[in-house]
Amino acid sequence: DAGVIQSPRHEVTEMGQEVTLRCKPISGHNSLFWYRQTMMRGLELLIYFNNNVPIDDSGMPEDRFSAKMPNASFSTLKIQPSEPRDSAVYFCASILGQPGELFFGEGSRLTVL
Amino acid sequence: AQSVTQPDIHITVSEGASLELRCNYSYGATPYLFWYVQSPGQGLQLLLKYFSGDTLVQGIKGFEAEFKRSQSSFNLRKPSVHWSDAAEYFCAVGAGEYGNKLVFGAGTILRVKS
Repeated sequence: DAGVIQSPRHEVTEMGQEVTLRCKPISGHNSLFWYRQTMMRGLELLIYFNNNVPIDDSGMPEDRFSAKMPNASFSTLKIQPSEPRDSAVYFCASILGQPGELFFGEGSRLTVL
Repeated sequence: AQSVTQPDIHITVSEGASLELRCNYSYGATPYLFWYVQSPGQGLQLLLKYFSGDTLVQGIKGFEAEFKRSQSSFNLRKPSVHWSDAAEYFCAVGAGEYGNKLVFGAGTILRVKS
């Protein structure tokens, strides 16, 4: 069975550009999470969805960040405009059941120049 | 607010030696506790979890952890470390209404010397 699939794996962009990160959760999982990992701040929860509905977006750093989950099999995290301080590894994770095991994707490494 | 402290940023052990990684948490109710492992360039993988019941939990790859409420600790142990165990280890507490909102510690990087 396929795991959580994230794309792109690597993204290099220039400051001010729009960045869209994509995630396909494991089929049948009903919750999806976006995390950001940096050396300075560690793993931070940005937002999570339950049954495609955003439940908690208190971790989204500012209005430049937005996330959507139009259906159970797809989610996006968008940064517009991007800034160098957004450089990080962004992880998507999904889960079945409450509480349970989070299954993480391999991450999208974003570098903003 | 919930928080997790992993006091050791780096730990080096010899292959075959025992391992203990420390984790302390802050949470008002009975916590859901987790240990995850991350290999370089990879996502996180669950090693083990504690929800309730027996305070000594077994996980994958020969790891175990013990929940001690009096010490607010959930330390990870392994009796004999293998070189393939070199990775970064994260302790987490489940917060939020359903316990799924994981708050992670800063991580401990394990180096194994042969």
